[in-house]
Amino acid sequence: AQKITQTQPGMFVQEKEAVTLDCTYDTSDQSYGLFWYKQPSSGEMIFLIYQGSYDEQNATEGRYSLNFQKARKSANLVISASQLGDSAMYFCAMSPYSGTYKYIFGTGTRLKVLA
Amino acid sequence: GAGVSQSPRYKVAKRGQDVALRCDPISGHVSLFWYQQALGQGPEFLTYFQNEAQLDKSGLPSDRFFAERPEGSVSTLKIQRTQQEDSAVYLCASSPLAGGLNTGELFFGEGSRLTVL
Repeated sequence: AQKITQTQPGMFVQEKEAVTLDCTYDTSDQSYGLFWYKQPSSGEMIFLIYQGSYDEQNATEGRYSLNFQKARKSANLVISASQLGDSAMYFCAMSPYSGTYKYIFGTGTRLKVLA
Repeated sequence: GAGVSQSPRYKVAKRGQDVALRCDPISGHVSLFWYQQALGQGPEFLTYFQNEAQLDKSGLPSDRFFAERPEGSVSTLKIQRTQQEDSAVYLCASSPLAGGLNTGELFFGEGSRLTVL
């Protein structure tokens, strides 16, 4: 069965510092996609970054980068130069390539950026 | 509209009542998803539509849950005889892509928060 594990229920980071949010996954699929979403208090899920299982290079999107270690089955999110607006819940998710977009989400990490 | 719109944003129901939650996806988006997010948890998949066809309803927790998208745009999630364990945020998401290789993002609405008393 597919599973996403986020072991950090909450994290604090000082403004302008970098922070790493952990994500490990379990799947028997050979092909899959890994995603990170941000959920502010408004409730909307905001897409941040995507990594394909066959991508050799780590994905980057502005201040977000995904540290993908396939052998360890980890897909950690790195946020550089944290901003106060980064305070939110962050969810790691996985989806197989075939079939429908049955995203499997982790339980999330609540990030608080301190001024 | 510019984004995915869900209504009502908040719904309080007495146990045993029926509720209907509406989702207006982004115009032209082929795929539509419903997710259930319990307090302190990540979203859990309920069902998936490609246009008007419901291709996957494996996540619906019981036969009290029913979803439809009759014209391939607006979707309604209906919960009959609500129970306290149905209390959650129900998220709708849409995508311009249709199955196959999923490299793209889902566009989520702000959700409908259901509280069953």
